[in-house]
Amino acid sequence: EVQLLESGGGLVQPGGSLRLSCAASGFTFRTHTMIWVRQAPGKGLEWVSSINAAGDDTYYGDSLKGRFTISRDNSKNTLYLQVNSLTVEDTARYYCTRRASLREFDYWGQGTLVIVSS
Amino acid sequence: IVLTQSPDFQSVAPKEKVTITCRASQSIGTTLHWYQQKTDQSPKLLIKYASQSISGVPSRFSGSGSGSEFTLTINSLEFEDAATYYCHQSSRLPDSFGQGTKLEI
Repeated sequence: EVQLLESGGGLVQPGGSLRLSCAASGFTFRTHTMIWVRQAPGKGLEWVSSINAAGDDTYYGDSLKGRFTISRDNSKNTLYLQVNSLTVEDTARYYCTRRASLREFDYWGQGTLVIVSS
Repeated sequence: IVLTQSPDFQSVAPKEKVTITCRASQSIGTTLHWYQQKTDQSPKLLIKYASQSISGVPSRFSGSGSGSEFTLTINSLEFEDAATYYCHQSSRLPDSFGQGTKLEI
């Protein structure tokens, strides 16, 4: 059974940093592009970042202004998102998801909640 | 690529049929997918590549379209279909989502 389990969220002050993790199991992690998607409270889905299977090709949403860094450790079946210089607008649930063969997102984690507040 | 869904909200009775539209700001072929998100749950893939069904998803859900206009149709609505529905394009990075359509049954 495919499972994606995010962690690392929490309450952080504006300007702070967090490292989000997504532990994958039940599939061959090293063969899949992985994605982070976020959802602000009461709002829609926002694509954040992607990383290819090898980990050497990354993309970011236009609004992130270089503050986020996606990475992966295929030996640990884990995806990461380093988030820096956080603002209140970054308050959201951050989901880890797997990209499948037709570029759809076929499995999602339960998300980890990041709250940016003073 | 901007995806615009319509309507934003719809209230329908059980056993009725509903159609949700997703329009792309440019042609995306058929790289358009649909998700269902129930309250306090993660999104769930409903339809991939505009019209391809997903194992385990009830047959009352279907998708169509190509280019820049797509539809998600739900036949014979059930109470459990109450959710927000999102379209998603993966034709060109960065991927993007529609703003969502909230369905009340």
